[in-house]
Amino acid sequence: QQQVKQSPQSLIVQKGGISIINCAYENTAFDYFPWYQQFPGKGPALLIAIRPDVSEKKEGRFTISFNKSAKQFSLHIMDSQPGDSATYFCAPLLADRGSTLGRLYFGRGTQLTVWP
Amino acid sequence: DGGITQSPKYLFRKEGQNVTLSCEQNLNHDAMYWYRQDPGQGLRLIYYSQIVNDFQKGDIAEGYSVSREKKESFPLTVTSAQKNPTAFYLCASSMTLLLGGRADTQYFGPGTRLTVL
Repeated sequence: QQQVKQSPQSLIVQKGGISIINCAYENTAFDYFPWYQQFPGKGPALLIAIRPDVSEKKEGRFTISFNKSAKQFSLHIMDSQPGDSATYFCAPLLADRGSTLGRLYFGRGTQLTVWP
Repeated sequence: DGGITQSPKYLFRKEGQNVTLSCEQNLNHDAMYWYRQDPGQGLRLIYYSQIVNDFQKGDIAEGYSVSREKKESFPLTVTSAQKNPTAFYLCASSMTLLLGGRADTQYFGPGTRLTVL
């Protein structure tokens, strides 16, 4: 089953514009909400993450907005730059019951292209 | 220089052959993971390991095997039973200590691209 739905699949934004990527999830037991950034041929890297006890987190040009009641969270990239062109994944984390391990559940990704 | 290394970067295999992908980490992380990435499908979990000599199947373990003899190493073998092995394989690691009652996130290696000829 697909526990995480990410949209849009692709996004084209002009330099200086705002990029918005959305993620909807089903499982209310998720307790950590990261976004990963992946460049072609590379592994994903953690970009920004939020805990469910806050509604917004900002780090530089990147902001996560979290809506617990709607089971959605989104990534906003302000003043988008060509260097932001990459694939972005939401990957909420679920702690395994009876263990100290966390499993990430990845969305299918959003390919962002920022035109100069 | 701490991190996760995967080798080789590119790997070619003939049908019917087993092949082993290497993953090493020097982050002193207890947990290690293997994912498979196909275009348009995100990352899917193959196997994961919480401690040495222990590992669990993920969502798509059929046709794969792993071992965890050392904390730093978690090699993945793609067997001839895997029907469609051509993909980008990613190794990751994380702490298992619960931080404030919650688990920590994962850090990824650079990946190995496997192509079956």
